[in-house]
Amino acid sequence: GESVGLHLPTLSVQEGDNSIINCAYSNSASDYFIWYKQESGKGPQFIIDIRSNMDKRQGQRVTVLLNKTVKHLSLQIAATQPGDSAVYFCAEIKAAGNKLTFGGGTRVLVKP
Amino acid sequence: ETGVTQSPTHLIKTRGQQVTLRCSSQSGHNTVSWYQQALGQGPQFIFQYYREEENGRGNFPPRFSGLQFPNYSSELNVNALELDDSALYLCASSARGSGRKPGELFFGEGSRLTVL
Repeated sequence: GESVGLHLPTLSVQEGDNSIINCAYSNSASDYFIWYKQESGKGPQFIIDIRSNMDKRQGQRVTVLLNKTVKHLSLQIAATQPGDSAVYFCAEIKAAGNKLTFGGGTRVLVKP
Repeated sequence: ETGVTQSPTHLIKTRGQQVTLRCSSQSGHNTVSWYQQALGQGPQFIFQYYREEENGRGNFPPRFSGLQFPNYSSELNVNALELDDSALYLCASSARGSGRKPGELFFGEGSRLTVL
């Protein structure tokens, strides 16, 4: 069935280093892949998305890579800061769809 | 701040009871979606409301129902509560129309439901 999952449940990163969060997806029919950040006690917050016909997209300090050949999605965070500590979810949706399908989340801990 | 507000923030119920959760969407947003997030897991889609009608439903039983009002605010109702209904219930608003990102939802902080 459809699923969006993550390889690593917890990632510890030194402040200032780059973070890479990985995600495997199984639904090739999805049109958009998205990363959300969820801080403790808050709802998920949209970070960045990528359309299925792209392989890379950059935002502010973040880059999302999409490898459709192996159905892999990653989020790179440059110069990780303490405020980046959160749980990160990948998700997918069809262009005319009405629901996001989320993966299980990766917790990022930034060490000072 | 997303402009999406949910109430109550926390509540405790017992099995068999009913609960109503409320959500006010961000100004200008006409679509509201509800998600259930169990501890340590990703949110799961319950249903979406657009123009006061249900517009898609996830794999949840009929005892999960909802409403959307003319001002686009929404309610989630759960009847005959079960222990497994204990979760964080998230409301998300978005605006239908050209130019919007399909996957960009604006989530509230959620209502934490505990069923004993």
